[in-house]
Amino acid sequence: AQSVTQLGSHVSVSEGALVLLRCNYSSSVPPYLFWYVQYPNQGLQLLLKYTSAATLVKGINGFEAEFKKSETSFHLTKPSAHMSDAAEYFCAVSDGAGNMLTFGGGTRLMVKP
Amino acid sequence: NAGVTQTPKFQVLKTGQSMTLQCAQDMNHEYMSWYRQDPGMGLRLIHYSVGAGITDQGEVPNGYNVSRSTTEDFPLRLLSAAPSQTSVYFCASRGRGYEQYFGPGTRLTVT
Repeated sequence: AQSVTQLGSHVSVSEGALVLLRCNYSSSVPPYLFWYVQYPNQGLQLLLKYTSAATLVKGINGFEAEFKKSETSFHLTKPSAHMSDAAEYFCAVSDGAGNMLTFGGGTRLMVKP
Repeated sequence: NAGVTQTPKFQVLKTGQSMTLQCAQDMNHEYMSWYRQDPGMGLRLIHYSVGAGITDQGEVPNGYNVSRSTTEDFPLRLLSAAPSQTSVYFCASRGRGYEQYFGPGTRLTVT
């Protein structure tokens, strides 16, 4: 069985500060990992994905994530937060066939002016 | 392309009523799925389909039925709604890659 844990259900940063959202996973097979973003009253939008190529993955809107197998982590970072980054972020892991996507509980990012 | 579309956007049901949530995609994706989103729990997979005529259960299938008669459509049926089914429901589809594309969601309240 696979699972995802996102540490911190709420994270608050100042505009211009580093964003770090934490994600740890467990999977019995080599994982496919994703970060999605959800703006209020909208669906989920893919930020980035790891599918066993480069361990440092760059996504949209200046976000990136690093896959660390030894730590079973896939933390999301952005060097400088913008007000428009305020949203809920979900980490997810897929089974090997791509049929079962398991999500973490989500982290709500708040950006202070 | 419209992508993944869902109707209705909002629905209020009384306990015991039935309804169907509609989902359609125009990307010719074989894989489609339904999730429910509840606060603090992320999204949980209800049912999925890998092609017309083929469906399977996800993590939380009880109380929900699905069928897949065409590639484009994947409706979710609630036969007898319960307050525990109050949630936001998302439909998604996937092409040959592993990333899923989500619809805008249906907010369902069962009283």
